[in-house]
Amino acid sequence: DSGVTQTPKHLITATGQRVTLRCSPRSGDLSVYWYQQSLDQGLQFLIQYYNGEERAKGNILERFSAQQFPDLHSELNLSSLELGDSALYFCASSVESKDVPQHFGDGTRLSIL
Amino acid sequence: GENVEQHPSTLSVQEGDSAVIKCTYSDSASNYFPWYKQELGKRPQLIIDIRSNVGEKKDQRIAVTLNKTAKHFSLHITETQPEDSAVYFCAAGAGKSTFGDGTTLTVKP
Repeated sequence: DSGVTQTPKHLITATGQRVTLRCSPRSGDLSVYWYQQSLDQGLQFLIQYYNGEERAKGNILERFSAQQFPDLHSELNLSSLELGDSALYFCASSVESKDVPQHFGDGTRLSIL
Repeated sequence: GENVEQHPSTLSVQEGDSAVIKCTYSDSASNYFPWYKQELGKRPQLIIDIRSNVGEKKDQRIAVTLNKTAKHFSLHITETQPEDSAVYFCAAGAGKSTFGDGTTLTVKP
């Protein structure tokens, strides 16, 4: 158990819809990262938050947004969903803002029908 | 920003042999280099890491070496076992995390 909690584990929805993925970082970790992993693909960095503030941005689409709340949990919002958004979305956390993430959640598998 | 290249993309070895995966990075400011193992459908798991002030680190059958001058680091797995079969990712950075594209390791019994 990594200590990073992601909900839900699976999400099935239709094109054009909007979903919210939730992540609670490991206790004591201030930094949260979001990644997208499509089938047989690598880990695509989306965005990082540190102690409530956006710290780094990767290849995140304009239809996607995220935030980190005062209790340090984070949400990733995906809107106007397309078939190509089907993927495994991982959240990860670390103590510092300058580290590569050390602890990954089990992911949310998003399927767009 | 950081750019990480990982080779090879696939690697097949016989049980008991050694496996080596190499990564190069571009940003000299990078100071933390972790390696992750990801089994099919599961989360990446940190298996070993090294910081820029260390040249080599070992943990049982796995080791990581770092050459800061050449900007490359490698994962070494000795006495491979079938359960080592997985995708391995390297990463480098200081902040905006950058991962390699992964190496699919297959250990044949």
